[in-house]
Amino acid sequence: EAGVAQSPRYKIIEKRQSVAFWCNPISGHATLYWYQQILGQGPKLLIQFQNNGVVDDSQLPKDRFSAERLKGVDSTLKIQPAKLEDSAVYLCASSLVAGGTYEQYFGPGTRLTVT
Amino acid sequence: ILNVEQSPQSLHVQEGDSTNFTCSFPSSNFYALHWYRWETAKSPEALFVMTLNGDEKKKGRISATLNTKEGYSYLYIKGSQPEDSATYLCAFRGTDSWGKLQFGAGTQVVVTP
Repeated sequence: EAGVAQSPRYKIIEKRQSVAFWCNPISGHATLYWYQQILGQGPKLLIQFQNNGVVDDSQLPKDRFSAERLKGVDSTLKIQPAKLEDSAVYLCASSLVAGGTYEQYFGPGTRLTVT
Repeated sequence: ILNVEQSPQSLHVQEGDSTNFTCSFPSSNFYALHWYRWETAKSPEALFVMTLNGDEKKKGRISATLNTKEGYSYLYIKGSQPEDSATYLCAFRGTDSWGKLQFGAGTQVVVTP
């Protein structure tokens, strides 16, 4: 079974530029998550999708971050414009469903550096 | 405790030694406690999902215990090997969430030969 795929793996941009990250979850997984992990902190949930609908985006900075999951499969996370404090690893995860004790399976992440 | 806290932040272990570290989490509205291992440049890997007070889980040389009444979990590594070097993350899931995990900052383990 293929795992969660993410691209790019690394990205360096200047502040005020835009950037987009892509995630392809495990086939058949209805729930998709985007996390932000800042150095020295644990991953923080940015947004959770159930199929192509948003379940939780309470910690997504909506003035600059946006995410979509068209057709309930792949997802894209965008930052526009980027700030220095957005430097982090962006992790995508998927699970079969959101309830129960189903595991979340993570991709390798995208390491973003904003200069 | 409102946050998920892990201690220590990092530890160095000699190959062959055993070690353990702690995850503290809210003792109310508990649903599940997850443990992940995250090696550099790789995907976080699920180790355990623990749901019952008194639960003990084991995977090879790694085991974990759970105390939901006092809000803590221990992860043990027996006979540490260099391949155990990683950051170990715990994540709390409350009854009022919908799959949402609240992560600790992790314990970084370095095993030296």
